[in-house]
Amino acid sequence: AQRVTQPEKLLSVFKGAPVELKCNYSYSGSPELFWYVQYSRQRLQLLLRHISRESIKGFTADLNKGETSFHLKKPFAQEEDSAMYYCALRDTNAGKSTFGDGTTLTVKP
Amino acid sequence: KAGVTQTPRYLIKTRGQQVTLSCSPISGHRSVSWYQQTPGQGLQFLFEYFSETQRNKGNFPGRFSGRQFSNSRSEMNVSTLELGDSALYLCASSFPRGANTGELFFGEGSRLTVL
Repeated sequence: AQRVTQPEKLLSVFKGAPVELKCNYSYSGSPELFWYVQYSRQRLQLLLRHISRESIKGFTADLNKGETSFHLKKPFAQEEDSAMYYCALRDTNAGKSTFGDGTTLTVKP
Repeated sequence: KAGVTQTPRYLIKTRGQQVTLSCSPISGHRSVSWYQQTPGQGLQFLFEYFSETQRNKGNFPGRFSGRQFSNSRSEMNVSTLELGDSALYLCASSFPRGANTGELFFGEGSRLTVL
């Protein structure tokens, strides 16, 4: 069975500090991994996906198959980054996506 | 393109009643998934439909059911409501398989309160 673990429910950093949101997964196949973000009073939306290897809003995430991790990182956090972040794993065969419990990031001024 | 639309946005029911929620996916999207979002449990997968067929089902009791119509619109139904069913129910659509980028496009949700 596939599982996604986000060990931190809450994470608080100061503006300008580096931030890392952790995500670990268990999956027997080749995973597709995503980070979704939900800003206050907005709908859940895609932030980035591992296959694109892109940087969105300064965030990057590298898939580490050896450690089964997909941590989200940003070198200098901004107040507008405050939001709920979900890591998600998609079963490429079945089409089902499993989400972690989410991490609420607060960036203090 | 219009986004994923869910109705109703808010509703209040009492224990024992049943409820039907509706989801209209983005035009051209044939896969629709449903999730239950609660503060303590995060996002829990309910089921996924593709071309009117249930392709996946989460670990929820049989009181939770759904269906998809030929125009890809989907409904989910919860019968014999319990207090613990109070949650935000999210619908998400995605591109069909083959051109599947894997990205889910979410609606704003239907917030159900059971009294």
